[in-house]
Amino acid sequence: AQSVTQLDSQVPVFEEAPVELRCNYSSSVSVYLFWYVQYPNQGLQLLLKYLSGSTLVKGINGFEAEFNKSQTSFHLRKPSVHISDTAEYFCAVISGGGADGLTFGKGTHLIIQP
Amino acid sequence: EAGVVQSPRYKIIEKKQPVAFWCNPISGHNTLYWYLQNLGQGPELLIRYENEEAVDDSQLPKDRFSAERLKGVDSTLKIQPAELGDSAVYLCASSRSGVNTEAFFGQGTRLTVV
Repeated sequence: AQSVTQLDSQVPVFEEAPVELRCNYSSSVSVYLFWYVQYPNQGLQLLLKYLSGSTLVKGINGFEAEFNKSQTSFHLRKPSVHISDTAEYFCAVISGGGADGLTFGKGTHLIIQP
Repeated sequence: EAGVVQSPRYKIIEKKQPVAFWCNPISGHNTLYWYLQNLGQGPELLIRYENEEAVDDSQLPKDRFSAERLKGVDSTLKIQPAELGDSAVYLCASSRSGVNTEAFFGQGTRLTVV
């Protein structure tokens, strides 16, 4: 079975500071990893995804994530955040043949302070 | 390209009443998901369709929830009778077939049971 753990439920950061949102996954087979963002009263929007190849993945809005197989992690980073980045961020995994579908973490609320 | 369309956006009903949600996926997307999202939590899969076949409904509470995807396009999710604990956001998503494809989400239906 696959699972995702987002270690921080809430992360406060000052505007223009860097941020890292942590994600660890558990799966016994190969995985595909995703980060989604959810703005208030909106659906989820894909930020980036890791399928194969380079372990450093760049996404929209200046975000990037690094796949670390040995640590089973897929942390999301941004070098300088803006007020508009305030949102809920979800890490998700789908593994192997996809029999278990897409599994989400509980989310991290990113709070940008002016 | 139109996105995933869900209706209604909001629904308030009294407990023990029936309710139905509708989802129109992106054209050409064979895979359709229904997710439940409680406040402050990540989405949890209720059911996944490949075309008109429900391939994963293990998390669907079948005593009161039902879903259908006639002709492999639109889908409806029904609750009968609704309970107070069913208050949540119900998200629909669709994707092309394959484990490494991006899932696109609708804006969700926020259900309040009073």
